Amino acid sequence: GQQVMQIPQYQHVQEGEDFTTYCNSSTTLSNIQWYKQRPGGHPVFLIQLVKSGEVKKQKRLTFQFGEAKKNSSLHITATQTTDVGTYFCAGEGGSEKLVFGKGTKLTVNP
Amino acid sequence: DGGITQSPKYLFRKEGQNVTLSCEQNLNHDAMYWYRQDPGQGLRLIYYSQIVNDFQKGDIAEGYSVSREKKESFPLTVTSAQKNPTAFYLCASSPTALLYGYTFGSGTRLTVV
Repeated sequence: GQQVMQIPQYQHVQEGEDFTTYCNSSTTLSNIQWYKQRPGGHPVFLIQLVKSGEVKKQKRLTFQFGEAKKNSSLHITATQTTDVGTYFCAGEGGSEKLVFGKGTKLTVNP
Repeated sequence: DGGITQSPKYLFRKEGQNVTLSCEQNLNHDAMYWYRQDPGQGLRLIYYSQIVNDFQKGDIAEGYSVSREKKESFPLTVTSAQKNPTAFYLCASSPTALLYGYTFGSGTRLTVV
């Protein structure tokens, strides 16, 4: 079945450094979504990408959807302590249900 | 405010007992989902429902059961057949399947002893 792989599993950065997490699917995706889960919290929807090669920005966060619609990335510029949490990608590839990656846990040293 | 309510936040049960987790939404969303989250495992789909009185198995449905008698409610029963029930359970909803981001509840942490 469809699999969504996410790397790295963990990332520790100094405050002010950049951070990137990558998402790769075994099948072509119709869309990809990104979520953030703060420690002890629940996932919160960040954004959805639908078009091949799409790039969307939310303040310091930049989201990309690959040309082949099989990969995606989330880049955070100049991390802050408020960025701490686990970032999940989730994609749909024709099965009518989202498949989540295992997430990248980001910790930020102030 | 609209949202999803999961109750209780923490739940303890003895091994061999069935337990039902509540999920209620007032967002008027058609689709609802149950996920299980274990450390390092991400979110795994248990069951989902796109319309009242209809639901489908997800990837790890064994040992679980659901019902969708009302649009607002999608309770999950963890039966004694579930071999490793201790986990964090998340309920989510969306206006229609796949076209929108999911709204998640705050979760129920189930511990079976």
